[in-house]
Amino acid sequence: DADVTQTPRNRITKTGKRIMLECSQTKGHDRMYWYRQDPGLGLRLIYYSFDVKDINKGEISDGYSVSRQAQAKFSLSLESAIPNQTALYFCATSDPGLAGGIGELFFGEGSRLTVL
Amino acid sequence: AQSVSQHNHHVILSEAASLELGCNYSYGGTVNLFWYVQYPGQHLQLLLKYFSGDPLVKGIKGFEAEFIKSKFSFNLRKPSVQWSDTAEYFCAVNAKDSSYKLIFGSGTRLLVRP
Repeated sequence: DADVTQTPRNRITKTGKRIMLECSQTKGHDRMYWYRQDPGLGLRLIYYSFDVKDINKGEISDGYSVSRQAQAKFSLSLESAIPNQTALYFCATSDPGLAGGIGELFFGEGSRLTVL
Repeated sequence: AQSVSQHNHHVILSEAASLELGCNYSYGGTVNLFWYVQYPGQHLQLLLKYFSGDPLVKGIKGFEAEFIKSKFSFNLRKPSVQWSDTAEYFCAVNAKDSSYKLIFGSGTRLLVRP
């Protein structure tokens, strides 16, 4: 089984619908992240959480919200989906970095979302 | 603001050719550096990383990268590519004074022809 599991893997929805992407991990990491991948833009950070009571906005959080239900679970919600949120979404976990900074990220398989 | 530039967006090579993918970043402080690879239809996985010490870093599958601090570069190399190296490669940079901010480059798509 994968260490970081995302559901659903693919979703097509309509503008204005509420969508939730779920992520669970068995790595035992406290740190979890949601990234968005768009062609030619690399990955951009949406939200991150360092523990259950710690939620922080990333660089592109507008239009998104998250919930950290447990150490192992971190969900991303689109309250009212719009077409420019069509993208590939990745959940990731990490340990703290050595001597400061961020450590290695472990990614889920991705959730491909299409908003019509 | 920090940024990461990957100069080659698409690279096409024949098997056994040598590979070098460029990565430059803009940040004046101490950094952690990463290369991630995304094989077709798969998630990103770590290829190699540099935190400190020897600036020549060896990763999985015969890849290596050299950190040249004076040039703000962390280029990825492989002496002889294989068809199975076809993938997208991402350089990423983290400032050591940030515990969460990892800036990714836009990626380089590598196609290796048999």
